[in-house]
Amino acid sequence: DAGVTQSPTHLIKTRGQQVTLRCSPISGHKSVSWYQQVLGQGPQFIFQYYEKEERGRGNFPDRFSARQFPNYSSELNVNALLLGDSALYLCASSRFQNTEAFFGQGTRLTVV
Amino acid sequence: GESVGLHLPTLSVQEGDNSIINCAYSNSASDYFIWYKQESGKGPQFIIDIRSNMDKRQGQRVTVLLNKTVKHLSLQIAATQPGDSAVYFCAENIEGNDMRFGAGTRLTVKP
Repeated sequence: DAGVTQSPTHLIKTRGQQVTLRCSPISGHKSVSWYQQVLGQGPQFIFQYYEKEERGRGNFPDRFSARQFPNYSSELNVNALLLGDSALYLCASSRFQNTEAFFGQGTRLTVV
Repeated sequence: GESVGLHLPTLSVQEGDNSIINCAYSNSASDYFIWYKQESGKGPQFIIDIRSNMDKRQGQRVTVLLNKTVKHLSLQIAATQPGDSAVYFCAENIEGNDMRFGAGTRLTVKP
């Protein structure tokens, strides 16, 4: 079975640009969560989607948005990129809310 | 791959010894806890979980202990191997919303 897949794996963007990151959950998983991990820290929660509805949001500015599609895949959008947005963006899927979550390999975003 | 956690608490053990990694969590309402292992350049890998109605759970070579009184979680790894070298994170979950991760501990296994 395929695990959580994220694309792209690496991305370089310029300040002010917009970026879209993609995540395909494990088959049968209905919950997708997004995390930001900067170097030297643990992942920080951004969003959780379950059954295509937003169920949780972390302390991130409105420049960050996400959605979940009918096939349970998800996109994370970040507008007006700042240098500080450079990080590893992780997607995790779980069968339901509050069950074991499995992470993808992440998308490494570098903002220059 | 790049290193995760350049200034993390560290634990160094000899191959074959047992390892104990500790974590203090913040919210007494947390009802679900997970330990993750993260190797350089990779996403976190699920190790073991425990719910708040339990105080101990065992997996293959790993045991998680939960002490709700002092809000403390530990991960015990038996017969630690070089492949166990990684950064270990505990995560707490409150009512199925978001997972809050600790700062992580870097485990180094010496051959």
